[in-house]
Amino acid sequence: NAGVTQTPKFQVLKTGQSMTLQCAQDMNHEYMSWYRQDPGMGLRLIHYSVGAGITDQGEVPNGYNVSRSTTEDFPLRLLSAAPSQTSVYFCASSYLRGGSIDTQYFGPGTRLTVL
Amino acid sequence: GQQVMQIPQYQHVQEGEDFTTYCNSSTTLSNIQWYKQRPGGHPVFLIQLVKSGEVKKQKRLTFQFGEAKKNSSLHITATQTTDVGTYFCAGQINFNKFYFGSGTKLNVKP
Repeated sequence: NAGVTQTPKFQVLKTGQSMTLQCAQDMNHEYMSWYRQDPGMGLRLIHYSVGAGITDQGEVPNGYNVSRSTTEDFPLRLLSAAPSQTSVYFCASSYLRGGSIDTQYFGPGTRLTVL
Repeated sequence: GQQVMQIPQYQHVQEGEDFTTYCNSSTTLSNIQWYKQRPGGHPVFLIQLVKSGEVKKQKRLTFQFGEAKKNSSLHITATQTTDVGTYFCAGQINFNKFYFGSGTKLNVKP
């Protein structure tokens, strides 16, 4: 099992550019999520999904879109990059057990810089 | 605003000393998870607490969940250099959402 994979590992964008961060998992997890990590602020939830075709907003969804067409993949799209979106982005996945999120497995992260 | 507060932000200890980090929420948590993140790495799951007053141990690590399910702590006995990293709590408040604390960065001097 590869676990949770993310691409790219590093990315530099110019303000206004768009791009997609890729996330995939091979554990058949129902729940997938995207977090951003900024210094001193922990991880903040951007969007999450409880299954194919179902997504919802987290704490900081503005400027980001997601879709979940398959169980395995959960891409994050930046519509028009802004310097405030400079951050480290983590994708995570887990089982859902009785309405609770189980152990979350994190990908290695994507370090994004917006100039 | 921040849903889950974590203190302290930093802790520097001599190897062999104990370490504790605390999490507090103004809202009752469904459950709480703890993660460790090494410098340059990704968060790695340590444990999940679900029941009121629950205490769980993993070797030198002791995790507690408060009676009101609004606070939690992680205590490390006799720290080692391998304990270096940032420890995060994450509380499930709303259905399908976890709120992470800001983390406690632990530095251990040999």
